[in-house]
Amino acid sequence: QVQLQESGPGLVKPSETLSLTCAVSGYSISSGYYWGWIRQPPGKGLEWIGSIYHSGNTYYNPSLKSRVTISVDTSKNSFSLKLSSVTAADTAVFYCARAPIICSGTSCSGFYFDYWGQGTLVTVPS
Amino acid sequence: QSALTQPASVSGSPGQSITISCTGTSSDVGSYNPVSWYQQHPGKAPKLMIYEGSKRPSGVSSRFSGSKSGNTASLTISGLQAEDEADYYCCSYAGSYWVFGGGTKLTVL
Repeated sequence: QVQLQESGPGLVKPSETLSLTCAVSGYSISSGYYWGWIRQPPGKGLEWIGSIYHSGNTYYNPSLKSRVTISVDTSKNSFSLKLSSVTAADTAVFYCARAPIICSGTSCSGFYFDYWGQGTLVTVPS
Repeated sequence: QSALTQPASVSGSPGQSITISCTGTSSDVGSYNPVSWYQQHPGKAPKLMIYEGSKRPSGVSSRFSGSKSGNTASLTISGLQAEDEADYYCCSYAGSYWVFGGGTKLTVL
């Protein structure tokens, strides 16, 4: 059974860097697939932040790209998110998730998030 | 990129069918890239309901189905049940990024 668990501070001061880690169990990150971060401000919808492949290739939301860094630690079977220069607008529940992507030749399928963490609320006071 | 467009709310009575639309562009929904759908109950993490446009993960009821026409994807729930009341989000991969819809609140009357 694949499980993901987010961890990190629940309160971050304005202008500081938000740091979260997602621990994965039941599946080895080294085996493949993409691993992503998604956030949800209170009472609002889901927003994709970025994704990382086990090899380290990253994709970021263009609107957040200048502030986001996602990295993977295969030795700990985990991946992390850093969001710099946070403001109150960054207050949200942050989810980590797995995205299967299976390629055969030049054709790939998948691109959906099948396993999610329970989410962790990060508050940036105004 | 802009969020995919979903109706803010839909409603239906138990036993009825409802459809939630998800409109994007030729770069995301309208491209070869498949759409996925997620159900989210209050205070819970999203749950995958439909992937690759019309496939259901193991354990998801056959009452849930997905389709696509042009730049619009749709989620249909037949035989509405009280437990279906939740928020629903569509999501599309667009080549180098993922984009979600704004979400639709389903109310079972």
